[in-house]
Order: sequence, then C-alpha cells, then structure tokens
Amino acid sequence: TQLLEQSPQFLSIQEGENLTVYCNSSSVFSSLQWYRQEPGEGPVLLVTVVTGGEVKKLKRLTFQFGDARKDSSLHITAAQPGDTGLYLCAGAGAGGTSYGKLTFGQGTILTVHP
Amino acid sequence: GAGVSQSPSNKVTEKGKDVELRCDPISGHTALYWYRQSLGQGLEFLIYFQGNSAPDKSGLPSDRFSAERTGGSVSTLTIQRTQQEDSAVYLCASSYSTGSSYEQYFGPGTRLTVT
Repeated sequence: TQLLEQSPQFLSIQEGENLTVYCNSSSVFSSLQWYRQEPGEGPVLLVTVVTGGEVKKLKRLTFQFGDARKDSSLHITAAQPGDTGLYLCAGAGAGGTSYGKLTFGQGTILTVHP
Repeated sequence: GAGVSQSPSNKVTEKGKDVELRCDPISGHTALYWYRQSLGQGLEFLIYFQGNSAPDKSGLPSDRFSAERTGGSVSTLTIQRTQQEDSAVYLCASSYSTGSSYEQYFGPGTRLTVT
C-alpha cells in the first residue's frame, strides 16, 4: 500500500505568519499534486509537480518536489485569513502505474486568524 | 463551462437499503474516478473508468459496492445493503485522459448518511 504522510494535521496561525506543510512517502510518484478543499466542495487543484527537485510558485505559495520524487512541501508566506481551508497532497503514478489514480495524504486543516 | 456534477448532494438512508449515486463528468473527459472521503480514512480511491471500462476496481471496499459507466459519460456508484460504515462523502472526478499528468476535476460530492 502506498501511503502519503502529511503533516501537520492541524495548523492554527495568525495573519502574516509563514507556514510549511509536509508530505512524505516511501513510494516514488510520477507526479504530486496539491489541492485545496472548502467545506461542501470537492478538492481544487493548486499545482502539479513532476520533476524531482522542481519548485513552483503560485503568488504566496511555494511548492517543492523532492529530488527522489517521494516527498513534497507547501510553503505559504504571510498567510491571510483567505488561505484558511483543507490542504491535501496527492501522488499519482505510484509503483509505475500509468494512469492517474491518486493516493491522498490525510490533509492539513489550516486556520489563519485575523 | 459546466464542471463535474453529482447527485444527490445529500442522501440519508436506512441501514440495509440500496443507494445509487450519480456523476456527470465534464464533456469530453474520457477518464472518471470515484473516491470516498471520511473523517477516519481521509480521501480513498475506489474505482476508475477509461471510457466504459473499469481497469482498476481495487479500491471498492466490498462486493456490496459496484459502479458502471454508460456512453462514456455518466457513471453510477451503487451501494447495496448499506451499513453505517458506508457513511462518507463520495467524490467523483474526471480528466481528459488517464495519464498521471492529467488534471482531475472534482465534483462537489454526495454526502451519504446511513442511519
């Protein structure tokens, strides 16, 4: 079974602080995706990283894929209340599978207080 | 354009009853995935379709669960003789194709409560 360990599970911070969410696995993934989910809605894709060592930036969000393609991190700079939500990492292509079955981490519930 | 739609949005059923959950994927998307999201288990893969075929059913929890897809479009997930542990949000996603680099677009989910 391919598992993605995501940490921390809960994060409560003040507006303006920085934070990092980690996603680790013993499996190699062909790609890793980060989603954000609001209550009552499905996950919405934020970014896909494919190449080992890849770094992608989306405004105040920075995503990194580990060199061995087994781990990833999401860093948010100067968090704002609008960043509040459930963040999920998901790996695709584990074990050399060619299709897009996603293996999800447990998620991080982020709360940013004004 | 229209996104992935699911119906019903909420379903409350009695233990032992059968339920059908429906997913309408984005037009033109050949791949369709079902996932289940529950508090204790997070988001779990159930089954995926390429066209009308289901090459991977490995995530279906038991033989009470089945799914079909017709016309390469609409999919139905059926749960027979529901149990309380089936209570969860069932999410459907579709993508243009099944490669791991194709973005999956998720529907809003069906919240199933078994009493």
